[in-house]
Amino acid sequence: DQQVKQNSPSLSVQEGRISILNCDYTNSMFDYFLWYKKYPAEGPTFLISISSIKDKNEDGRFTVFLNKSAKHLSLHIVPSQPGDSAVYFCAAKEGSNYQLIWGAGTKLIIKP
Amino acid sequence: SQTIHQWPATLVQPVGSPLSLECTVEGTSNPNLYWYRQAAGRGLQLLFYSVGIGQISSEVPQNLSASRPQDRQFILSSKKLLLSDSGFYLCAWSVLPGYQPQHFGDGTRLSIL
Repeated sequence: DQQVKQNSPSLSVQEGRISILNCDYTNSMFDYFLWYKKYPAEGPTFLISISSIKDKNEDGRFTVFLNKSAKHLSLHIVPSQPGDSAVYFCAAKEGSNYQLIWGAGTKLIIKP
Repeated sequence: SQTIHQWPATLVQPVGSPLSLECTVEGTSNPNLYWYRQAAGRGLQLLFYSVGIGQISSEVPQNLSASRPQDRQFILSSKKLLLSDSGFYLCAWSVLPGYQPQHFGDGTRLSIL
């Protein structure tokens, strides 16, 4: 049973436009959500996170939105740049639990 | 600043051979340490985590084991590799559990022949 789902395996966006990556979860006990970016043959790099007490968190070009009622979160990248081309993973955890539950990732391609 | 080192970057091993992957963290004390595996096209699967020297928790029963002989050293081992052990192995650390991100090394691509 996949508790964290990224339903789009890939997404193509024009350089300079907004990239929106989506993630759905099923476990209502999750209270901390993270987005990671991963280049081929490298480990994931932490981008941004949000706790369940908030519905938005912003860091530069990256904004994460959390809709708890819909069990949905999204990552907005504005404006998109060529260096943003990578695989993006969302992950979630419950309280003090050590385990992060990961989505399968979305490959973002930024077209020049 | 904190850094995490993981080696080797690539490894090709025959079926039945032993395995030892090493991970070290610098710039922090008493980190929580994690071993993950990523299968092709999948998310990350937590294999082991450790909250202190000699303490190992296993999330998935399998052909692998982990050890933490020193505060900032985490080792993934196997006595006899299987074909199904092929994958991309990642080590990560975090400061504490709770609302803190995990930070990853660059991974080891393990191919079993």
